[in-house]
Amino acid sequence: AQSVAQPEDQVNVAEGNPLTVKCTYSVSGNPYLFWYVQYPNRGLQFLLKYITGDNLVKGSYGFEAEFNKSQTSFHLKKPSALVSDSALYFCAVRDRTNTDKLIFGTGTRLQVFP
Amino acid sequence: ETGVTQTPRHLVMGMTNKKSLKCEQHLGHNAMYWYKQSAKKPLELMFVYNFKEQTENNSVPSRFSPECPNSSHLFLHLHTLQPEDSALYLCASSQETRNQPQHFGDGTRLSIL
Repeated sequence: AQSVAQPEDQVNVAEGNPLTVKCTYSVSGNPYLFWYVQYPNRGLQFLLKYITGDNLVKGSYGFEAEFNKSQTSFHLKKPSALVSDSALYFCAVRDRTNTDKLIFGTGTRLQVFP
Repeated sequence: ETGVTQTPRHLVMGMTNKKSLKCEQHLGHNAMYWYKQSAKKPLELMFVYNFKEQTENNSVPSRFSPECPNSSHLFLHLHTLQPEDSALYLCASSQETRNQPQHFGDGTRLSIL
């Protein structure tokens, strides 16, 4: 069965420091992977996706993610965190057996301190 | 502005009431989705419509009834809900269901008394 794990409920980082939000996945075949962000009282907002090609994917607001097939990971990164990056981040994988379906992780709350 | 509008933003209803949630997308997408978001639980897919045809019903209780009259509008009709149905209900749309990202509305916060 396809699944996504986000092992950290919360990540704390100081403004200006690099940040990483972890995601590992389990799929049969090649994965389609996505990152979304949710700000308070808002819906989810698409950040970036990996379908095929270059393992380093660049997205919105300076975020990027690295696809690592051997480690089945798709960690979200940013070189320099901003206080405004504080939000809830979701990793998601396309269900290859039912391609209408996105499977989401439980989310990681990112807190960036000034 | 995400291009996906949900109304109402907040809804409080009793267990015997009947109400409907509305979603409208202005993005020209062909697929629309209903999700349930509860605290400390993964986002739960409820229904998928692709070109107005329902393609996914994720074992959702019959007290939730979706309706998709056209590719731009999606409704979720609610009746005789339970307290555990209190949650944030999110609507999303995408160009198609495979590679394209989903665009979410800001949700309806539903509270069942």
